[in-house]
Amino acid sequence: QPVVTQSSSASASLGSSVKVTCTLSSGHSNYIIAWHQQQPGKAPRFLMKLDGRGNYNKGSGIPDRFSGSTSGADRYLSISNLQTEDEADYYCETWDDYTQVFGGGTTLTVL
Amino acid sequence: EVQLVESGGSLVQPGGSLRLSCVASGFTFSNYWMYWVRQAPGKGLMWVSHINGDGTSTRKADSVKGRFTISRDNAKNTLYLQMKGLRAEDTAVYFCARALLGEVVPSAIGYWGPGTLVTVSS
Repeated sequence: QPVVTQSSSASASLGSSVKVTCTLSSGHSNYIIAWHQQQPGKAPRFLMKLDGRGNYNKGSGIPDRFSGSTSGADRYLSISNLQTEDEADYYCETWDDYTQVFGGGTTLTVL
Repeated sequence: EVQLVESGGSLVQPGGSLRLSCVASGFTFSNYWMYWVRQAPGKGLMWVSHINGDGTSTRKADSVKGRFTISRDNAKNTLYLQMKGLRAEDTAVYFCARALLGEVVPSAIGYWGPGTLVTVSS
């Protein structure tokens, strides 16, 4: 089954840009993933679905500041013009016919 | 508008049972895979189980096999999670979630409920 790995934390300054990484396990580099945002004390929210060619589809109401990209087994979530409300945990998710898998989450701090 | 509302969470003793419910609205319930995902205090998200649109195909995480059962009632637009043999490590917020698209195979989660807290403690 696939495994996804994320760095535990990231930080960037207000108004700057940041890239969060999700890495797929060996043999699963072509898998589609999804990114979810979880603000403190809230339920997760779907951000986008991202495939192995870098094509992404965002959820309704997700700002243009959020985008996705791909390089090999790595899936990236990029956020530009960081806002205070972007301070949150970000999770990547993937799946196969038998299981759904989440990364450990990346805590983003906006300085 | 897609809405998912969980209920049934409470304090339960180790070894006890509990049934969670999730009432869905704003979409054709029977067309979508549905999921239960949990989050222990201060921890990340963990998939628990999922079920296809007509309820004929289910999967669950190894940690809950033999103890948890997912089901659905499409006439009532309701998803269930029957939990038995509860352990302290099952303490978590349990989220109901819907697949992003109405596909015949599992796919990305596209919508989340607010969650319901299950606490297993004596």
